[in-house]
Amino acid sequence: GAGVSQSPSNKVTEKGKDVELRCDPISGHTALYWYRQRLGQGLEFLIYFQGNSAPDKSGLPSDRFSAERTGESVSTLTIQRTQQEDSAVYLCASRPGQAGDTIYFGEGSWLTVV
Amino acid sequence: GNSVTQMEGPVTLSEEAFLTINCTYTATGYPSLFWYVQYPGEGLQLLLKATKADDKGSNKGFEATYRKETTSFHLEKGSVQVSDSAVYFCALGRQGAQKLVFGQGTRLTINP
Repeated sequence: GAGVSQSPSNKVTEKGKDVELRCDPISGHTALYWYRQRLGQGLEFLIYFQGNSAPDKSGLPSDRFSAERTGESVSTLTIQRTQQEDSAVYLCASRPGQAGDTIYFGEGSWLTVV
Repeated sequence: GNSVTQMEGPVTLSEEAFLTINCTYTATGYPSLFWYVQYPGEGLQLLLKATKADDKGSNKGFEATYRKETTSFHLEKGSVQVSDSAVYFCALGRQGAQKLVFGQGTRLTINP
C-alpha cells in the first residue's frame, strides 16, 4: 500500500502472554521507528532502525521489549510476559532517508492487556 | 534533555472561533519543530514544520512561528471548522538526531 501498515489493529491479550506487532513501512524508506502512546499521554520513543546500522534501542522500557527489522522492510515489535501497564497504542513510522525528512506514521496497534 | 510541553486539553471551541494551542520546548542548539495531527481513526500526519528561528510553517489555514527567544511554537488558526477536530501533537527534532520528541497531545473538538 501507499502508507505505513500495521497489524493487528487491535489486540487483547492475557497478562503474561507474549505478543507480536508488525509494521510494514513505506517502500524505499530506510528509517523505521516504534513509538508507544499510553491513554492520555504523549508519544514515547521506543526504538529506531536505519538501514544496516545498529538500532537505537534507548527507549525500550524493559528487557521484555524487543524489535527486529529485516533489511529495509518489515519490523516486528515483541513484548514478552505482557503486563497491564503495557496497554497502549503502538505506533510505527518510517522516513525516506536523511534526518529532517518527514516521518510517516501508521494507524497504530491498540494493545489491551487484561 | 530535550522536551516539549503542550497546552493541556481537551479544548472545545465553536466553529469559526480563533484557535491557539501553546507549545514550548527545551533543547540545546537549533532544533526543527513540528506539529502533527491525528484525525479520528487515522494515523499521525505532519501538519506543518519550521526548521529555523523566525520561520513560519503553514498548512490548511494553520500557522506556527518558530520563536527562539521564547522557545515556543504555538499553533494558530483564525477560523476553525468542525473537520479540524483531532488530536494535535507538537514535536521537536534535533539536527542530526534521528528521533522526534513529542508533547503529550491536545485534543481539539469543534462544535457546529
